[in-house]
Amino acid sequence: DAGVIQSPRHEVTEMGQEVTLRCKPISGHDYLFWYRQTMMRGLELLIYFNNNVPIDDSGMPEDRFSAKMPNASFSTLKIQPSEPRDSAVYFCASSGAGLWETQYFGPGTRLLVL
Amino acid sequence: EDQVTQSPEALRLQEGESSSLNCSYTVSGLRGLFWYRQDPGKGPEFLFTLYSAGEEKEKERLKATLTKKESFLHITAPKPEDSATYLCAGINAGNNRKLIWGLGTSLAVNP
Repeated sequence: DAGVIQSPRHEVTEMGQEVTLRCKPISGHDYLFWYRQTMMRGLELLIYFNNNVPIDDSGMPEDRFSAKMPNASFSTLKIQPSEPRDSAVYFCASSGAGLWETQYFGPGTRLLVL
Repeated sequence: EDQVTQSPEALRLQEGESSSLNCSYTVSGLRGLFWYRQDPGKGPEFLFTLYSAGEEKEKERLKATLTKKESFLHITAPKPEDSATYLCAGINAGNNRKLIWGLGTSLAVNP
C-alpha cells in the first residue's frame, strides 16, 4: 500500500490567498483526520471524517478553514483567506473502523504564508 | 481536562547509552496509549499501542511500558539512527477517535 498521500508537500503563498491541501487516505480506511503541527502547540486535531461525513470540526480555528471529503479516496482542507499565523505543517491521517484504531499519517504539507 | 506531558523535552545520548523517555497522562478512562516516532520533515510513524497497566511491548531497541499514571519508552543501546522526536498520545473512553498528544521528546544519539 502506498500509505497516506498528501499534496503539495510545500506551499508558499501570500497573505490573503486561498490555499488548498489535498489528501488520499489508505484504501479501506473509514476515518480521515486533518491535523496541524507547530512547535508551540504540537499536533492539533482540526477535523475528522467517518465514511466521508464530518464528525467533529471543533478544532477548526475559524471560518477561514473548511474541509470536504467528496469520496472515500479524497479530502481537501481549504484556507481562505490565508494569514501568516496559519503557517504550520498540516498532516492528514487515516484509520480503520475498529475501536482505538491506529492512525497512520501522511508526509505532511509545509505551509508558509508570507 | 485530559492532558499528556512528555519529559524531557530534549535528550542527547552517546551511542550505546541506554535511557528512558517519560509520558505522564491525566486522561479520564484511558483506553489506549500510543507511541509514535517522527523524523524531521516526515509524518509521525506508529510504534506501539498499550491498552492496560502492566502491558509491555518491544521493537528492536525500544520497549514501551504502561502504568496507571505514565508510560515509559526505554531505549537500550541506542544507535544514531534512533535519533528522532518521540510522541505519545492517549485516547479516552469518551471519544475513541480523538488522540490527546504530548509535545514530544527530541532524542539525539551521537556516534
